[in-house]
Amino acid sequence: AQTVTQSQPEMSVQEAETVTLSCTYDTSESDYYLFWYKQPPSRQMILVIRQEAYKQQNATENRFSVNFQKAAKSFSLKISDSQLGDAAMYFCAYRSFNTNAGKSTFGDGTTLTVKP
Amino acid sequence: EAQVTQNPRYLITVTGKKLTVTCSQNMNHEYMSWYRQDPGLGLRQIYYSMNVEVTDKGDVPEGYKVSRKEKRNFPLILESPSPNQTSLYFCASSLGLSGSKNIQYFGAGTRLSVL
Repeated sequence: AQTVTQSQPEMSVQEAETVTLSCTYDTSESDYYLFWYKQPPSRQMILVIRQEAYKQQNATENRFSVNFQKAAKSFSLKISDSQLGDAAMYFCAYRSFNTNAGKSTFGDGTTLTVKP
Repeated sequence: EAQVTQNPRYLITVTGKKLTVTCSQNMNHEYMSWYRQDPGLGLRQIYYSMNVEVTDKGDVPEGYKVSRKEKRNFPLILESPSPNQTSLYFCASSLGLSGSKNIQYFGAGTRLSVL
């Protein structure tokens, strides 16, 4: 079974600064997808960024980028130029591609506070 | 508008009274899933479906049933709800699994309280 671990229950960052959220996972599969989701107080699940395991190049989406280390099974999220609107709970998620195609596992989340 | 619609959004019920939470998507997606979210925890997958009449258990399937008789609908059934099923429930769907098809679209959530 796959597991996803977010070791930082809470993080804070000063507005305009950079913050990195950590995520590690465990799997025996070779093909899979990784995601970061944002959940604001409204509880809506918003996709931030995704990474296909077969791609070595790290994904980027505007101010958001990941550091994907497949051998280390690490998938951290970097938020640059942090904005007040980035304050939310962030979840790291794993999705199987082959053996249990469609099965998803989420971490327990990191609450990000952005200080003005 | 492309969306995943869950109903009801809020539900208070009593132990043992059967209930169904509906989920419908209008994007012709193959994959659909149900998740629950409890305080301090991430989303845990209850069941998922790869296509009509094809479903599989997630990590926490006990006490739940699902069916996928039509591609667009994936209802979650609690035959005999218990207080430990009080939670926030999300339905999600994706077009497929490869590339951008893998992106899951989430419903707004259903907050269920079982007394």
